[in-house]
Amino acid sequence: DVKVTQSSRYLVKRTGEKVFLECVQDMDHENMFWYRQDPGLGLRLIYFSYDVKMKEKGDIPEGYSVSREKKERFSLILESASTNQTSMYLCASSPAQEWSQGAFNTEAFFGQGTRLTVV
Amino acid sequence: GQNIDQPTEMTATEGAIVQINCTYQTSGFNGLFWYQQHAGEAPTFLSYNVLDGLEEKGRFSSFLSRSKGYSYLLLKELQMKDSASYLCAVKDSNYQLIWGAGTKLIIKP
Repeated sequence: DVKVTQSSRYLVKRTGEKVFLECVQDMDHENMFWYRQDPGLGLRLIYFSYDVKMKEKGDIPEGYSVSREKKERFSLILESASTNQTSMYLCASSPAQEWSQGAFNTEAFFGQGTRLTVV
Repeated sequence: GQNIDQPTEMTATEGAIVQINCTYQTSGFNGLFWYQQHAGEAPTFLSYNVLDGLEEKGRFSSFLSRSKGYSYLLLKELQMKDSASYLCAVKDSNYQLIWGAGTKLIIKP
């Protein structure tokens, strides 16, 4: 059974804290993604990675960074958490079906999400 | 700009049929996805359309018209467990996924 695991379901952090969100997949997928999901908005891509140590900015990278030291793990870092980063964060992975940036023509597998509250 | 539109919320009755529409305006088109997301859970893949026409998969079908920038997800014989949000996403010319905000489907007995 394929699996994408996010380290926490719920997190509460204080403004200004450095926050780490971890994501691990066991499917040997090349592509990994971080999204945030807010009510009334679609999933918005923060960063993605198509290989180890590779990363590309998505639509809303400001205030975030990522790390991919191993193929199975993709970490999202909030350098200095702010209240407008309160959101649901979703990690996803997919196989590399084609050479492209953040693209897949097969299904993506999502983690359960981390609901982050910044107070 | 790029845009995916779908209704915010729909209500249907158990055992009935419901159609969830999705219209899109994107820079290029490389396929359209439908995902299901139950409250508090991860989105899960339902269907992928890249050619015009209807794709049927059990109680769920997905239709695409590229010329109209239009798709729909058809759910038949609705069950209470179908209560969820349904997300439409389009892959643009850069192979980036553009997501709609999702349609919350409420099933009543």
